[in-house]
Amino acid sequence: EPEVTQTPSHQVTQMGQEVILRCVPISNHLYFYWYRQILGQKVEFLVSFYNNEISEKSEIFDDQFSVERPDGSNFTLKIRSTKLEDSAMYFCATAGGYYEQYFGPGTRLTVT
Amino acid sequence: KNEVEQSPQNLTAQEGEFITINCSYSVGISALHWLQQHPGGGIVSLFMLSSGKKKHGRLIATINIQEKHSSLHITASHPRDSAVYICAVSFFGNEKLTFGTGTRLTIIP
Repeated sequence: EPEVTQTPSHQVTQMGQEVILRCVPISNHLYFYWYRQILGQKVEFLVSFYNNEISEKSEIFDDQFSVERPDGSNFTLKIRSTKLEDSAMYFCATAGGYYEQYFGPGTRLTVT
Repeated sequence: KNEVEQSPQNLTAQEGEFITINCSYSVGISALHWLQQHPGGGIVSLFMLSSGKKKHGRLIATINIQEKHSSLHITASHPRDSAVYICAVSFFGNEKLTFGTGTRLTIIP
């Protein structure tokens, strides 16, 4: 069964450093999403991406965040200058259309 | 702004019991999703429904659009069903998910 993969599974970084989280979507999917979950809290929407552009972003997704699909396969989330409050589990999800979303296993980001 | 409320927040039951988790939302939606989050953190989609009822194995999901309410039922519960169950909704023309806070289910052997 096709699945969404994410790398790394765990990233530890120092405050102020840049991080790139990577996601490999299911091959025929066209809609991509990033969500995050701070420990003990609910999952929150960050950004949706379709047709090589952002279709919607949340208030959390400020200028420190960016997304791209550089090579037509990987879908990346970049945080330019990490803050302590960016520590969370980041989930990539993909969908083939207005259908159920398939989630990757997540990347646990720890900012120290 | 749509709010998604789940109840109960925590549920502990004996193996074999019938489980019900409830979800309510405040505005019209295109679909409601039930998700399972394992202790390791991974999220799996269980159901996506916009009307009626769906069944998969021992899991049943129902939705009442007029009452803006959905339920997830587990029959003959088993310790391996222990997980966090999350309700999420999506909207017409914008399929981002808005999540509830989840229900932590623990099934005791």
